[in-house]
Amino acid sequence: KAGVTQTPRYLIKTRGQQVTLSCSPISGHRSVSWYQQTPGQGLQFLFEYFSETQRNKGNFPGRFSGRQFSNSRSEMNVSTLELGDSALYLCASSLERPSYGYTFGSGTRLTVV
Amino acid sequence: SQQGEEDPQALSIQEGENATMNCSYKTSINNLQWYRQNSGRGLVHLILIRSNEREKHSGRLRVTLDTSKKSSSLLITASRAADTASYFCATDAGNSGNTPLVFGKGTRLSVIA
Repeated sequence: KAGVTQTPRYLIKTRGQQVTLSCSPISGHRSVSWYQQTPGQGLQFLFEYFSETQRNKGNFPGRFSGRQFSNSRSEMNVSTLELGDSALYLCASSLERPSYGYTFGSGTRLTVV
Repeated sequence: SQQGEEDPQALSIQEGENATMNCSYKTSINNLQWYRQNSGRGLVHLILIRSNEREKHSGRLRVTLDTSKKSSSLLITASRAADTASYFCATDAGNSGNTPLVFGKGTRLSVIA
């Protein structure tokens, strides 16, 4: 069965622009979580969606937002991009927590110039 | 903020040797999970151990959990060059089961052929 699909794989944006990243979870998985990974901070939790509702949110500014659609696909949006937003953005899906592990996508590498 | 902290930060061993990585965490947990990440890719779920379990095996992997010391270890036996990757522990804290997975900063393992 297909894994978690993230698009695009690579993205270069200019400061001040906005960006939308997409994540398609494994079929049947209703929980989608987003993480930002940087060399200095490691993996930082952004938010989690379950059945179209945001269930948890990390400590990121309001420029970071997300949503989940009825088919469980999720998008995250970053507005007014800053250089520090350059990172690998990872999406993970799961059936339900805490009993199951996450399946991660390959990530979107965002570079802000 | 990081819940789990892996130790050591980096580990270099010869092929065939065993590799041991440790993880310490701060709060009570529902379960602890280990993930592997190859350079710049998504994370792969390796093993999950619940808070009422003390040891778990999966192929060449052995995970232990000591909730009294708030620590876990991951042992990879008979390591191979293909085991070269970063390894992360992640904890699912809280009683509700709806808290996000929090990752440590990882141990970078290099297996030299």
